[in-house]
Amino acid sequence: AQSVAQPEDQVNVAEGNPLTVKCTYSVSGNPYLFWYVQYPNRGLQFLLKYITGDNLVKGSYGFEAEFNKSQTSFHLKKPSALVSDSALYFCAVRGPIYNQGGKLIFGQGTELSVKP
Amino acid sequence: DAGVTQSPTHLIKTRGQQVTLRCSPKSGHDTVSWYQQALGQGPQFIFQYYEEEERQRGNFPDRFSGHQFPNYSSELNVNALLLGDSALYLCASSATGANEKLFFGSGTQLSVL
Repeated sequence: AQSVAQPEDQVNVAEGNPLTVKCTYSVSGNPYLFWYVQYPNRGLQFLLKYITGDNLVKGSYGFEAEFNKSQTSFHLKKPSALVSDSALYFCAVRGPIYNQGGKLIFGQGTELSVKP
Repeated sequence: DAGVTQSPTHLIKTRGQQVTLRCSPKSGHDTVSWYQQALGQGPQFIFQYYEEEERQRGNFPDRFSGHQFPNYSSELNVNALLLGDSALYLCASSATGANEKLFFGSGTQLSVL
């Protein structure tokens, strides 16, 4: 069964420092992987996705993610964190396709806190 | 261009009652998915609608039902509410052929007392 795990409930980073939010996955077949961000009292916003191609995927707001097949990981990264990046981050994998439908299976989320 | 809109934003119900949540998808989108997000958890897939039909369903009981209208808007109905149904209910829309890029509404916060 498809699943993702986010091993850290919270990540604390100083503004200007690089940040990494970790995600590992378990899938049968080729993985379709995603990162979403959730700000307080808001819905989720799409950041980036990996389907195929380059292992380094670039997304919105300066974020990128590195796909590593051997380690079954898809870590989210940013070279220089901003206070405004503080939010809840979710890794997700596409579930099995039935009847041409698609669903996302989300991790539990990682709270990112960027301090000035 | 309006994004995904959900109503109401907050709702308080008592056990055993029924509730209806509403969602209007982003303009140009024809597929609507519903997710339940309990406190401190990631969203859990409830079901997905396309062409007014339920296309896929997650592990939720039959108390959870839905509908999609010809204008692509959707409703989520929950009968016989339980305390455990308290959660943020998120609607997400997508365009045919791009179902992985979901656009989420801000959600309906349901509290069951």
